[in-house]
Amino acid sequence: ETGVTQSPTHLIKTRGQQVTLRCSSQSGHNTVSWYQQALGQGPQFIFQYYREEENGRGNFPPRFSGLQFPNYSSELNVNALELDDSALYLCASSTSGAPGNTIYFGEGSWLTVV
Amino acid sequence: GDSVTQMEGPVTLSEEAFLTINCTYTATGYPSLFWYVQYPGEGLQLLLKATKADDKGSNKGFEATYRKETTSFHLEKGSVQVSDSAVYFCALSDRDGATNKLIFGTGTLLAVQP
Repeated sequence: ETGVTQSPTHLIKTRGQQVTLRCSSQSGHNTVSWYQQALGQGPQFIFQYYREEENGRGNFPPRFSGLQFPNYSSELNVNALELDDSALYLCASSTSGAPGNTIYFGEGSWLTVV
Repeated sequence: GDSVTQMEGPVTLSEEAFLTINCTYTATGYPSLFWYVQYPGEGLQLLLKATKADDKGSNKGFEATYRKETTSFHLEKGSVQVSDSAVYFCALSDRDGATNKLIFGTGTLLAVQP
């Protein structure tokens, strides 16, 4: 148990729709990041939020967006879903946004786009 | 940019065999290095970490030593169990600005047979 919780665990969406995934970070962690893990691949960094602001982004288009709330929980929103967005989406938290701090992952949300 | 290369899987071993999973990295600075494990249908769990050259991370019988001269962080275990069957990911913490971002290898599937 890492203390990072995500919802929903599984969902199916149609191409073109929008999806929101939610994450509660571990107690005391003010930094949340999101990763996309396609089947058979390693996780890819989407973006990081620190104190409610995005402070780092990977190579993902603007239709991937996020929010962090005052209690440090977070949302990942994906608009105009494409078939290739089908993946496991992992939320992770750490005690700060500084490089090198240990990052703890949730169980993930499995998204299938049909 | 920074990157991580892992040995291809799957690795199939008999119970009590010795395990080595190779991992090498490319980084411009001095990254922290991690091994994460992913059991079937689950998220990522931190297995061990090392933050500077010659550090040895260890946990649950697994070990890995941060070798700066060979840019490697190979995972080893003296005697594997069936319960160790999982996908193992090597990762580095990219010290890019203020973002605490992990760069992962593609993962190595370990299957341990009784």
